[in-house]
Amino acid sequence: DAGVTQSPTHLIKTRGQHVTLRCSPISGHKSVSWYQQVLGQGPQFIFQYYEKEERGRGNFPDRFSARQFPNYSSELNVNALLLGDSALYLCASSLASGGGFYEQYFGPGTRLTVT
Amino acid sequence: AQSVTQLGSHVSVSEGALVLLRCNYSSSVPPYLFWYVQYPNQGLQLLLKYTSAATLVKGINGFEAEFKKSETSFHLTKPSAHMSDAAEYFCAVASGGYQKVTFGIGTKLQVIP
Repeated sequence: DAGVTQSPTHLIKTRGQHVTLRCSPISGHKSVSWYQQVLGQGPQFIFQYYEKEERGRGNFPDRFSARQFPNYSSELNVNALLLGDSALYLCASSLASGGGFYEQYFGPGTRLTVT
Repeated sequence: AQSVTQLGSHVSVSEGALVLLRCNYSSSVPPYLFWYVQYPNQGLQLLLKYTSAATLVKGINGFEAEFKKSETSFHLTKPSAHMSDAAEYFCAVASGGYQKVTFGIGTKLQVIP
């Protein structure tokens, strides 16, 4: 079975540009979460989506947005890129949300470099 | 609010020696606790998890961790280190409701031949 897939693997953007990152969850998983991992730090929670609805949001500015599609895949969008947005962006999928905890399975990440 | 503190950003052990990576947590509700491993240029892999069942949790690759409520700790151990254990290890905590996981800053484990 395929795991969580993310695209692209790497990309380089210029300050002020916009970027879209994509994630496909494990088949059957309905929840997708996004994390930002800056070099030398642990991942920081950005969003969680379940059944196309936002279920949680971390402490990130409004330049960050996301959505989930009917097939449960997800996009993370970042507008007006700053140098500080350079990081590894991780997507994680899980079966469900709420009423306990469902194990999250992480993808390999997208490495974003902002110059 | 929930948080974890990992003591020691870098740990070095000799091959065959005991591995001990320390983690203390803070949570206002009974927590779910995890250890993840990350190899260079890869995503995170779950080593083990505590979800209020047995306090001693066994994971993959010979790792285990013990939940100690009185010490608010969840330290990761392995009796004998292998070269393949060299990686970065993250302790993490989550509470019920939505699936927000809060990670520590990570501990890089170096295994010396």
